[in-house]
Parts: sequence; C-alpha cells; structure tokens
Amino acid sequence: EPEVTQTPSHQVTQMGQEVILRCVPISNHLYFYWYRQILGQKVEFLVSFYNNEISEKSEIFDDQFSVERPDGSNFTLKIRSTKLEDSAMYFCASREGLAADTQYFGPGTRLTVL
Amino acid sequence: DQQVKQNSPSLSVQEGRISILNCDYTNSMFDYFLWYKKYPAEGPTFLISISSIKDKNEDGRFTVFLNKSAKHLSLHIVPSQPGDSAVYFCAASGLSNFGNEKLTFGTGTRLTIIP
Repeated sequence: EPEVTQTPSHQVTQMGQEVILRCVPISNHLYFYWYRQILGQKVEFLVSFYNNEISEKSEIFDDQFSVERPDGSNFTLKIRSTKLEDSAMYFCASREGLAADTQYFGPGTRLTVL
Repeated sequence: DQQVKQNSPSLSVQEGRISILNCDYTNSMFDYFLWYKKYPAEGPTFLISISSIKDKNEDGRFTVFLNKSAKHLSLHIVPSQPGDSAVYFCAASGLSNFGNEKLTFGTGTRLTIIP
C-alpha cells in the first residue's frame, strides 16, 4: 500500500541553524501539507501546497518557513533560523485530488532545537 | 482556537465491549470529518471519515455518527480489541480555498483497551 515517507526520523539542531525536513508524498497525489505537533499539544496545520505554490498557510508559518517541491517526488519544509519553540513533531500529508478528501500522513520528523 | 474539541482526554474500555469516542465542533463551515489513530512516535493513521451529507458511515468494526444540529460526532468501535489502544484524533475540514481544505484537529482521546 502506498504511503507517505519522511526523512530524517529525528533531527537535532542548534538554535539559529537551518533545517530541511523531507517528505515523499504518495505518488499520484496532488495536494501536500505540513503539520506540526508540539509535545502535549494538538496537531496544527502549517501550510498547504498545490500546483507548485502555497495555497494556504497558518500564522505559525512565518518568513522563517518555506516549502518546495524541488522535483517530481520530494516535498520539503525549510526552517531558516530555528528557535527553541520550533521543537516539535513535523508531519507531512498528501491528498489525491479534488474528489478525495482524505489526507494521509507520514510517520513524522522529530525536530529538537537546542 | 477550540474549533474541534474532544472533551475526554482518556477512556478505558474492557476488551470486547464498545468504545465510544466523542468530538464536538463549533465551525458550521466544516463539511468533512475524519478520525485518525495515532501511536507514540508515529504519524496519524486514517481510520474513517464522514461527509456532512451523511449521518453515519460504517467500516468494519468502526462506525462514525454525525449529528449536524448538535455539531457532534462520535466514533464507535465494536468489539474493542487490545490493538485499538492508541490516541484517537477527530479532525474537520471545510470550505477554505477550493480543493485545499486544511484539517483542524481535536486534542485527542487516549483509548486503553483492558484485556
């Protein structure tokens, strides 16, 4: 069964460093998302991406964040200068298309900012 | 922002019995609802969904009920099995930018099935 994959599973970085989280969505899916979950809190929407551009973003997704689909398979989330409060689980999700409403999630990347 | 609420942080159910997990929402623009199951250190796994044009959807042991007038949905698991022990998240989406509906999640309910 096709699944969303994410790498790395755990990333440790120093405050102020740049990190890139990678995702490979399900191959025939057209809509891509990033969510995050801070420990003990709910899963929060960050950004949605369709047709090579951001379609919606939350207030969390400020200028320090960017997303890219550099090739036909990868979908990346970059944090330019990490802060302590960026420590969280980051989940990538994908959805097939307009007629399909279900988003399928990857296993997540645990980001720890020291 | 508490648009989706799961008021029970935890629930314990005897194996073989019915588990009922509840979710309330406030945003009347939500038109699609999903339940996800999550184990520690894993991503949410899709379980079952329901569109606002229906009031019930069933898939094997899982049934989701939607009461639009009360803005309430519930997930029934019967019979409950030890492998069902996990955190269950309710999520909702609505008419944001066309075709790009973000999910709004509840805080989750930790279900423990007692053998």
